[in-house]
Amino acid sequence: QSALTQPASVSGSPGQSITITCTGTSSDVGTYNYVSWFQQHPGKAPKFMIYDVSNRPSGVSNRFSGSKSGNTASLTISGLQAEDEADYYCSSYTSTTTLYVFGTGTKVTVL
Amino acid sequence: EVQLVESGGGLVQPGGSLRLSCTASGFTFSTYEINWVRQAPGKGLEWVSYISSSGSTIDYADSVKGRFTLSRDNAKNSLFLQMNSLRAEDTAVYYCARDGSAAGKGLFDYWGQGTPVTVSS
Repeated sequence: QSALTQPASVSGSPGQSITITCTGTSSDVGTYNYVSWFQQHPGKAPKFMIYDVSNRPSGVSNRFSGSKSGNTASLTISGLQAEDEADYYCSSYTSTTTLYVFGTGTKVTVL
Repeated sequence: EVQLVESGGGLVQPGGSLRLSCTASGFTFSTYEINWVRQAPGKGLEWVSYISSSGSTIDYADSVKGRFTLSRDNAKNSLFLQMNSLRAEDTAVYYCARDGSAAGKGLFDYWGQGTPVTVSS
């Protein structure tokens, strides 16, 4: 089971919106709505940001939103802020020999 | 407050063994599935292992199958990952993560701070 594919880096200016994609296959993202997104600052544990494709846990800013089309899930950050600079990972349940698979990770830079 | 605290990491020689622990508090441990996820230095996240709430169902990534053994003691709110035949490629920070879905959906809502494992001679 290969990792889900994410762009290595995405950047934007404060106040702008950016979108991070997460491309899988019909064995994971394409079939199941069990897609989550995590934010990770350097040296810290991942933080849970989105679940079931588009749901936000309590306490997560509504500037973060998720969606899915076919085999690709997306995370959009609106009104980009300096504190959003971090690594972002998607994950999905998978029907292969691996129970869950993570994305390759995307480094978000706020210009 | 939900907390997961990992311990047991350290430096071990190739072929050696290590036992990681994850102690939970702030929630009813016995009703949640728990996973281990690792992150090699400068790399991305990799799912390692899963255990059901009762401990009756356990699953492993192919990369650790046959070498790692996961167990839990619900009376002690604890999880244990026995790692044998360790290889250099097992070097990583190991996190335990709760599955908040209670349905095996991989909804990793709470994570520990991680414990580092280094496999080197």
